Amino acid sequence: AQSVTQPDIHITVSEGASLELRCNYSYGATPYLFWYVQSPGQGLQLLLKYFSGDTLVQGIKGFEAEFKRSQSSFNLRKPSVHWSDAAEYFCAVGLSNTNAGKSTFGDGTTLTVKP
Amino acid sequence: ETGVTQSPTHLIKTRGQQVTLRCSSQSGHNTVSWYQQALGQGPQFIFQYYREEENGRGNFPPRFSGLQFPNYSSELNVNALELDDSALYLCASSLADRGGYEQYFGPGTRLTVT
Repeated sequence: AQSVTQPDIHITVSEGASLELRCNYSYGATPYLFWYVQSPGQGLQLLLKYFSGDTLVQGIKGFEAEFKRSQSSFNLRKPSVHWSDAAEYFCAVGLSNTNAGKSTFGDGTTLTVKP
Repeated sequence: ETGVTQSPTHLIKTRGQQVTLRCSSQSGHNTVSWYQQALGQGPQFIFQYYREEENGRGNFPPRFSGLQFPNYSSELNVNALELDDSALYLCASSLADRGGYEQYFGPGTRLTVT
């Protein structure tokens, strides 16, 4: 069965600083990988996804992520964090041969942004 | 195009009771998945419905059941509620025919079991 690990429970960065959130997955085949953001009291919003092709994917709100098969990682990055980026971030892996609805999620990383 | 909506927003139930949560899929989507998100954890897959039939189930007991209707709206039913059922319940819709690799989440229903 697939699994997702987000090693950092909580990260604090200063506004304007760069950000990297880590995600490691375990899955036997080519994974479908996702990053979601969840603001307090809200559902999840898709930031970006990787299915195949270019291993560096661009998402919304200035986020990008890089798929590294050799490291089983899909880390999320942003060059300059804004105060509005403070939220919870979830990495998820979906099955290759079906749709994303059966995704396995990590336990999330809470991002705090200092002024 | 309307997004995914869920009702009610909040719900308080007593242990042993039954609850029904509702989800209205995004227009044109034929697949709905339900997730349970306990406090401080990521969402856990409960089950998925595709064209009104269950299409996969996570590690949840049979007292968690669901329905999908011809208009692709959906219900999640939980019988014999336990304290550990307290969580945010999320539904997400997608379009499976075209790969459906993107799913769109509703805002969730916060269930508290006392």
